[in-house]
Amino acid sequence: SQQGEEDPQALSIQEGENATMNCSYKTSINNLQWYRQNSGRGLVHLILIRSNEREKHSGRLRVTLDTSKKSSSLLITASRAADTASYFCATAPKAAGNKLTFGGGTRVLVKP
Amino acid sequence: GAGVSQSPSNKVTEKGKDVELRCDPISGHTALYWYRQRLGQGLEFLIYFQGNSAPDKSGLPSDRFSAERTGESVSTLTIQRTQQEDSAVYLCASSSAPRTAYNEQFFGPGTRLTVL
Repeated sequence: SQQGEEDPQALSIQEGENATMNCSYKTSINNLQWYRQNSGRGLVHLILIRSNEREKHSGRLRVTLDTSKKSSSLLITASRAADTASYFCATAPKAAGNKLTFGGGTRVLVKP
Repeated sequence: GAGVSQSPSNKVTEKGKDVELRCDPISGHTALYWYRQRLGQGLEFLIYFQGNSAPDKSGLPSDRFSAERTGESVSTLTIQRTQQEDSAVYLCASSSAPRTAYNEQFFGPGTRLTVL
């Protein structure tokens, strides 16, 4: 199975609501990253949280990391229609050199 | 500055033909990665370059897949004798920091490969 698994697989919310998605992983990591993908093409890096960090903010994004539970969450506050995209977590496992391992993604639909 | 570029953006080929996909990383980025993304799925790691060498090619699915990088710049991913299961979007990414703790990757727009 994949190193990173997102939950839920799909999420539909109204504009202005918050969107929360989770990521679980299996092995020890150096860092965990969240990416956004629009229309199935290039990914855009959103935020990186290191293994010794517990929470990080960037604009309307809040990421948490719990290494004891091997899980992370991404919260998008006050969502906008433009936030409609697929969101992927990617882990940099300690044993895997410089390789990132991506989960299957959460498809978020923000309805205006 | 310019981001990661990939060409072609779309490629349709017949089963059994060879294809070559190109990636131009961000200038100065020493690390380069290739990923494959099947429809509706996450990214599968294929190969990683540090400079011109490939310390990790563990994700290449078969010996039909190969990649090279020259001049610490352009990389090409070659798929020989394409099969229908090779149909996917092939994404390239580059990174300026070889150390994993700072491994933010910048992605290109991808090449959508369709094998008929």
